[in-house]
Amino acid sequence: DAGVTQSPTHLIKTRGQQVTLRCSPKSGHDTVSWYQQALGQGPQFIFQYYEEEERQRGNFPDRFSGHQFPNYSSELNVNALLLGDSALYLCASSPSGGANYEQYFGPGTRLTVT
Amino acid sequence: AQKVTQAQTEISVVEKEDVTLDCVYETRDTTYYLFWYKQPPSGELVFLIRRNSFDEQNEISGRYSWNFQKSTSSFNFTITASQVVDSAVYFCALSEPGNQFYFGTGTSLTVIP
Repeated sequence: DAGVTQSPTHLIKTRGQQVTLRCSPKSGHDTVSWYQQALGQGPQFIFQYYEEEERQRGNFPDRFSGHQFPNYSSELNVNALLLGDSALYLCASSPSGGANYEQYFGPGTRLTVT
Repeated sequence: AQKVTQAQTEISVVEKEDVTLDCVYETRDTTYYLFWYKQPPSGELVFLIRRNSFDEQNEISGRYSWNFQKSTSSFNFTITASQVVDSAVYFCALSEPGNQFYFGTGTSLTVIP
């Protein structure tokens, strides 16, 4: 049973560029959430996707956008990158119902913005 | 306001000692869920436990135990006879119905051999 997978593992971008991160949920899960984890901090909720729609959103600017595909996989896009966007980006999946169920996390994508 | 507070930033214990990680939460909902996750150096968050607000029974799983007290809004986590492999950052999290997860800032546990 495959767990949550994310790609790429590491990424280095320059300020102002755009980046796309990818996530495949755990088998049987249809809800995907994205988190940003800055160094030494807890994960911060970015948004959650269910049935291909953004269902909830945390306190992140519109530069952060996402998408969910019919196979439940998801992408996180960040435009106009800032140095402060450097962080570990975690994807989590859960079964229908989302937030109140345990979320299973992927290994993350470490984004460095220079 | 911080919904989940983990006041202990770093803890160091010697192997085989018991250690308790504190978690205090804040919510106005009567129905909510609490979680603990472990984040080893590899970075992947590992689910440990989920409790709902109606179940205050303490739970034990091997060397791990959890003490949920609604009266003090706390959900503390104890590791008995700690081992080096327990070294990690531990996060407490809260979710309210239909809402997002709120994570604490984590407690970094170092178990010294």
